[in-house]
Amino acid sequence: KAGVTQTPRYLIKTRGQQVTLSCSPISGHRSVSWYQQTPGQGLQFLFEYFSETQRNKGNFPGRFSGRQFSNSRSEMNVSTLELGDSALYLCASSLDPSNQPQHFGDGTRLSIL
Amino acid sequence: AQSVSQHNHHVILSEAASLELGCNYSYGGTVNLFWYVQYPGQHLQLLLKYFSGDPLVKGIKGFEAEFIKSKFSFNLRKPSVQWSDTAEYFCAVAAPGSARQLTFGSGTQLTVLP
Repeated sequence: KAGVTQTPRYLIKTRGQQVTLSCSPISGHRSVSWYQQTPGQGLQFLFEYFSETQRNKGNFPGRFSGRQFSNSRSEMNVSTLELGDSALYLCASSLDPSNQPQHFGDGTRLSIL
Repeated sequence: AQSVSQHNHHVILSEAASLELGCNYSYGGTVNLFWYVQYPGQHLQLLLKYFSGDPLVKGIKGFEAEFIKSKFSFNLRKPSVQWSDTAEYFCAVAAPGSARQLTFGSGTQLTVLP
């Protein structure tokens, strides 16, 4: 079955713009989490959604937001982009908020000029 | 807050050598522990996980890890590495009852020389 699909794969933006990234979880998975991966900070948890509700949020500013739709697809939005937002953004899905392990997508590479 | 330390940033081994990658975590309570691997150009994949029970867990591709509660450690091992094991390895911890909201270590790049 298809894995976690993230679109677009690559994105170039300039400072001050906003961006929306999309994630389609594995069919049947209802929990979606987002992570930011940078060379300096490594992999950091952004937020998690289940049943269209944000369950947990990491230590990121309010410029980072997300949402989940009724079909479990999720989007994350970053407003007023800063150079430091350049990163690989990873989405992970799991069946439900339990001990089911997460499956990761290939990520969206965001570059800020 | 939870934290995870991976002390080896880059490990270089020859094929057939044994592997041990260190992982230490700091968390006051019960945790769920994971090792993920990222092969070149591929997405993160789960190697193995520990939730409870036998502290020696076996994963895919011949990897295993041992949870030592007294040392807050969850080291990854493989008796004989192959060139195809070249990848970046991440240790991660999640709060009990959870496999999400992972706190990751900084990763260890493993290079296996043929």
